[in-house]
Amino acid sequence: DAGVIQSPRHEVTEMGQEVTLRCKPISGHDYLFWYRQTMMRGLELLIYFNNNVPIDDSGMPEDRFSAKMPNASFSTLKIQPSEPRDSAVYFCASSLVQGGGAFFGQGTRLTVV
Amino acid sequence: QKEVEQDPGPLSVPEGAIVSLNCTYSNSAFQYFMWYRQYSRKGPELLMYTYSSGNKEDGRFTAQVDKSSKYISLFIRDSQPSDSATYLCAMSASAGGTSYGKLTFGQGTILTVHP
Repeated sequence: DAGVIQSPRHEVTEMGQEVTLRCKPISGHDYLFWYRQTMMRGLELLIYFNNNVPIDDSGMPEDRFSAKMPNASFSTLKIQPSEPRDSAVYFCASSLVQGGGAFFGQGTRLTVV
Repeated sequence: QKEVEQDPGPLSVPEGAIVSLNCTYSNSAFQYFMWYRQYSRKGPELLMYTYSSGNKEDGRFTAQVDKSSKYISLFIRDSQPSDSATYLCAMSASAGGTSYGKLTFGQGTILTVHP
């Protein structure tokens, strides 16, 4: 298996633009997580899904952020409109066993100017 | 107070040293404990996964969990320059409630092993 695949790897956009990050989890995994990592705050959980259903979105910072999982092999995280403070590395992760370890993608480095 | 506390370091050791990394936590519901390694500009990589209290060994790595003290450790024996990375502890709760699958991470400890 190729692991968790994220795209794009890097994104530079102007403030106010819409940004869409994509994730393909490991086949057969039933949990999918979106995290954001910054120097100041470390890794923060934004939202996670179980069997394509959002379970906990309490980490989503604002209504500008939204996430979907239309099927078991694809998820998106959208920011609209983007702001400079959204600049961070966004990770997608998936897991197979409830409470078990999660496997991370390589991340999308987002820069909003 | 954060649910998981981890000394960010940085920690610098000579090659061959034994490294000890630690986290403390406050949430008694945590039952699953993990250690991740993250190289610069890469995603976190799962190193060790343990359930409840006890020890687990994998090669040069040993993970310890002491639930009575709410304290977990990762030991690296015969450390190598290739072990230089950020090490993150992570935890999740047992069955029940919306937090079941959620991982809570420490801030990460930056480790440098110099030749």
